[in-house]
Amino acid sequence: DGGITQSPKYLFRKEGQNVTLSCEQNLNHDAMYWYRQDPGQGLRLIYYSQIVNDFQKGDIAEGYSVSREKKESFPLTVTSAQKNPTAFYLCASSSRNNEQFFGPGTRLTVL
Amino acid sequence: AQSVTQPDIHITVSEGASLELRCNYSYGATPYLFWYVQSPGQGLQLLLKYFSGDTLVQGIKGFEAEFKRSQSSFNLRKPSVHWSDAAEYFCAVGPIMDTGRRALTFGSGTRLQVQP
Repeated sequence: DGGITQSPKYLFRKEGQNVTLSCEQNLNHDAMYWYRQDPGQGLRLIYYSQIVNDFQKGDIAEGYSVSREKKESFPLTVTSAQKNPTAFYLCASSSRNNEQFFGPGTRLTVL
Repeated sequence: AQSVTQPDIHITVSEGASLELRCNYSYGATPYLFWYVQSPGQGLQLLLKYFSGDTLVQGIKGFEAEFKRSQSSFNLRKPSVHWSDAAEYFCAVGPIMDTGRRALTFGSGTRLQVQP
């Protein structure tokens, strides 16, 4: 089955820790995206990548980092510089028509 | 800058009643428009999309939406709501071709409750 997988489903972080969220797709899409979702705020774009080895900051990139070494993978690292990381994180990918397909999400909680 | 407004944060309808969720957008060119649905704790699923052509588009689960350029709107409708339609609905617009940014801009969502 083609689709997007995110892991883990739930993640807990201690203060000062960096954590990495995984996103993998087998849809052969060039573009991939990371969104953050908070209650009542919809989806906000963190980073996006339109091609391997290239990525761009979105609207709320501070405290986050990404890499795009393979077409299938777009991991997101939440660094200790992100002051309020508790949120639901969604990964998506798209083909050239911009129809985005979403993964099931990772819920990150800071302890 | 492009933006999407969903004026209704929360809507409650009775099962079997009709539904209309509003979406207004601000965009400098012909937009691509999308409606997504999200069940609690899940990812987003595409309901329907508009790229060009017929302004009334049909989607999955019996949903439809109408693009009205004069009103900058893309409202989602369903003639008879089922209890399983209870979820959060997001309208999205994109991309910004002149900046090369191909990501979508999402509205803040409308949460739908369905009463028995």
